[in-house]
Amino acid sequence: ETGVTQSPTHLIKTRGQQVTLRCSSQSGHNTVSWYQQALGQGPQFIFQYYREEENGRGNFPPRFSGLQFPNYSSELNVNALELDDSALYLCASSLAGGYGANVLTFGAGSRLTVL
Amino acid sequence: GENVEQHPSTLSVQEGDSAVIKCTYSDSASNYFPWYKQELGKRPQLIIDIRSNVGEKKDQRIAVTLNKTAKHFSLHITETQPEDSAVYFCAASKVTGGGNKLTFGTGTQLKVEL
Repeated sequence: ETGVTQSPTHLIKTRGQQVTLRCSSQSGHNTVSWYQQALGQGPQFIFQYYREEENGRGNFPPRFSGLQFPNYSSELNVNALELDDSALYLCASSLAGGYGANVLTFGAGSRLTVL
Repeated sequence: GENVEQHPSTLSVQEGDSAVIKCTYSDSASNYFPWYKQELGKRPQLIIDIRSNVGEKKDQRIAVTLNKTAKHFSLHITETQPEDSAVYFCAASKVTGGGNKLTFGTGTQLKVEL
């Protein structure tokens, strides 16, 4: 069984640029969530994908978008980068459907620095 | 939406002592309360979780209690060890058939001193 893997691990962008972050979910999981963790803060929910559709969104602007693919992997895209977008972006996968499911497993994250 | 408050923000204990971290939540519909441990530069790792149909859960040195009436839950670590030093996050969510969207607290930096 493989865990949640994310790429790239670190990247540096400049204001106004666009970035794509990638996530492979844990084997057997069908739901992917993305969280933003600013330095010294708790993770904040960005959005979740289930059956290739957005299934809930946090308080993030439309320039944050995502995709889920048939193999349950996912991408997070951020357009028009701002300095405040600098953070650790965490992907978490889970198995939806049932009270005993939905336990999130996190990846190691992608550290984005915007200059 | 849900709001989770966590206290204290930092906690220093002597090795062997107990540590308690407390969280409150605002949405009475929340039914799932996990605790994550995050070491510096590492991913958040689930250490224990509790669902709203139970009041307490234990796993070796770790226990979580839930008071639904007061809308608060706590993490208890007994016989603390240096390797327990990390940031601990509580979270809350209303689990639905379509998924689980966690609202996290702001974290507690636990330091276990020799």
